[in-house]
Amino acid sequence: GQQLNQSPQSMFIQEGEDVSMNCTSSSIFNTWLWYKQEPGEGPVLLIALYKAGELTSNGRLTAQFGITRKDSFLNISASIPSDVGIYFCAGPNSGYALNFGKGTSLLVTP
Amino acid sequence: NAGVTQTPKFRVLKTGQSMTLLCAQDMNHEYMYWYRQDPGMGLRLIHYSVGEGTTAKGEVPDGYNVSRLKKQNFLLGLESAAPSQTSVYFCASSGQIGETQYFGPGTRLLVL
Repeated sequence: GQQLNQSPQSMFIQEGEDVSMNCTSSSIFNTWLWYKQEPGEGPVLLIALYKAGELTSNGRLTAQFGITRKDSFLNISASIPSDVGIYFCAGPNSGYALNFGKGTSLLVTP
Repeated sequence: NAGVTQTPKFRVLKTGQSMTLLCAQDMNHEYMYWYRQDPGMGLRLIHYSVGEGTTAKGEVPDGYNVSRLKKQNFLLGLESAAPSQTSVYFCASSGQIGETQYFGPGTRLLVL
């Protein structure tokens, strides 16, 4: 399947800092999804992107669908302790399922 | 409206034992999926279903079987558990092709 590469693997930041993470693929995607997984829970959808160049916000979160359709970016502004979790990018593969990146683990200290 | 539920939440098995994980969704979704999550590996698709009575293999199907006898339920079976199947298993569902997937809370399985 198509490989999704996320970076960084992990981030350890202070409350109030901004966060940037990205996801790249060797293949073109028509949809990019960003999920967050909190400890002991299943992934929850944060933002869905459907068009190249699209920039979408959800509160302090902003995600962009790269122009080349091979990458996507997620930014979190003014981080707070409850932002802690693993952030996954995902895109539909050639079938009906999703390919997931390996995740960016975010730790926020007060 | 509970969304996607999974039972059991946690299970310990001995090598060679069998078990079935149950996933249920109340959103009338056509598509259902089983993933496993291992440290540093992200989520990997085991099997999926595009409708009642249909199943298909995902990325890592070996050692697992599935059934979708009812639209709202998707069962994952381990016939003879192995330590390599120690993992967290997530079920998900979606309404249409390309639509976002909604995940259950996970089942934590330990095989000794």
